[in-house]
Parts: sequence; C-alpha cells; structure tokens
Amino acid sequence: EPEVTQTPSHQVTQMGQEVILRCVPISNHLYFYWYRQILGQKVEFLVSFYNNEISEKSEIFDDQFSVERPDGSNFTLKIRSTKLEDSAMYFCASSRDRLNSPLHFGNGTRLTVT
Amino acid sequence: DAKTTQPNSMESNEEEPVHLPCNHSTISGTDYIHWYRQLPSQGPEYVIHGLTSNVNNRMASLAIAEDRKSSTLILHRATLRDAAVYYCILRESNSGYALNFGKGTSLLVTP
Repeated sequence: EPEVTQTPSHQVTQMGQEVILRCVPISNHLYFYWYRQILGQKVEFLVSFYNNEISEKSEIFDDQFSVERPDGSNFTLKIRSTKLEDSAMYFCASSRDRLNSPLHFGNGTRLTVT
Repeated sequence: DAKTTQPNSMESNEEEPVHLPCNHSTISGTDYIHWYRQLPSQGPEYVIHGLTSNVNNRMASLAIAEDRKSSTLILHRATLRDAAVYYCILRESNSGYALNFGKGTSLLVTP
C-alpha cells in the first residue's frame, strides 16, 4: 500500500538556523498538509496546499514558515529561523480530495531546536 | 464550527469488542464523520469515515445515529496493538481544508 514518507526522522538544529523538512506524498494525491504535535499536546494543523498554492493556513503558520512543492513529487516545509518552541513532531499528510477521502500521514520528523 | 466530544479515556480487555462514542450535536448535513487513531510515537492513521450510513472496513465499523448527532467506532476484537488515541473529527464541508484534531480518547487494552 502506498504511503507518505518523511525525511529525516529526526532533525536537531540550533536556534536561529533554517531547517527544511521533506515529504513525499502519495503519488496520485492532490492535497497536501503539514501538521505538528508538541510533546504531550494535540495534533495541530499548520497548512494545506493544493494546485501549487496554499489553500489554508493556521495562526501558527506565520512568516517564518513556508511550503513548496519543488518538483511534482516532494513537498517541503521550511522554517526560516527556528525557535526553541518550534521543537515538535512535524507530520506531512496527503489526500486525494478535500472532503470525502482520508488523509494519509507520514510517521513524522522530530525537530529538536537547541 | 462543529465540534466533537469524546471521553478522555477508555479501557478494554484484549479480544473483547470496544465501542468508542463520539457526540457531535452541531453537525451539519454535509459534514463527514472521520475517525483517526494515533499509536505511540507514530503519525495519525485513518480508521474509517462516513456521512449517514453505517460503514464497515477491515479495521473497524462506524455506527452513525439516525439524527447524526452521535457516532460510535466499533473495534470488533481489540488487540494490544489497538492501544492508541482515537480521534473523532468532523470534516466540515464549509470550513476549508483543515482536519482539526481534538484530544481524542486514549484506549488502553489489557491482556
């Protein structure tokens, strides 16, 4: 069964550094998402992406964050200048359509900002 | 903004059926009911979804009340591997693309 893959599984970075988290969504999916989960807290929506543009974003997704689908297969989340509070699990997901098909999640990238 | 209410935790014995309830009294007619689960140290995993009729798949069954104000996820025979946090989420037709997770129900399965 096809799956969403995320790399790296664990990323350690220093505060103020840029970090790029990578995802390969399922190939025939059209909608892409990033979520995060701070340790011990609930899964939070960051952004959705469709037709090469952001379709929705949360308040968390400020100017420090950006997303890109550079080559038709990868989907990336960039954090421009990391803060300690960016430490979390970041999950990528994809779905075939917006409403009636499920989201398929990757196993996440654990980002640790020191 | 339709919301769901679930118990914080439930406990089940292995190989017994589990009924996980969810209330969504403000659901609108075109909102889909989705269930996901999250095993420890993993990403959320889709379980099942439905609109009006009961649904079955290889993982579980979804029973939807006639008025759609509540639903129940049924695991027919719990295994230790089913220990997870289960999320009942409304996929709202008029609220955009986000799937908004709540706190879910933490299911403990004991041997």
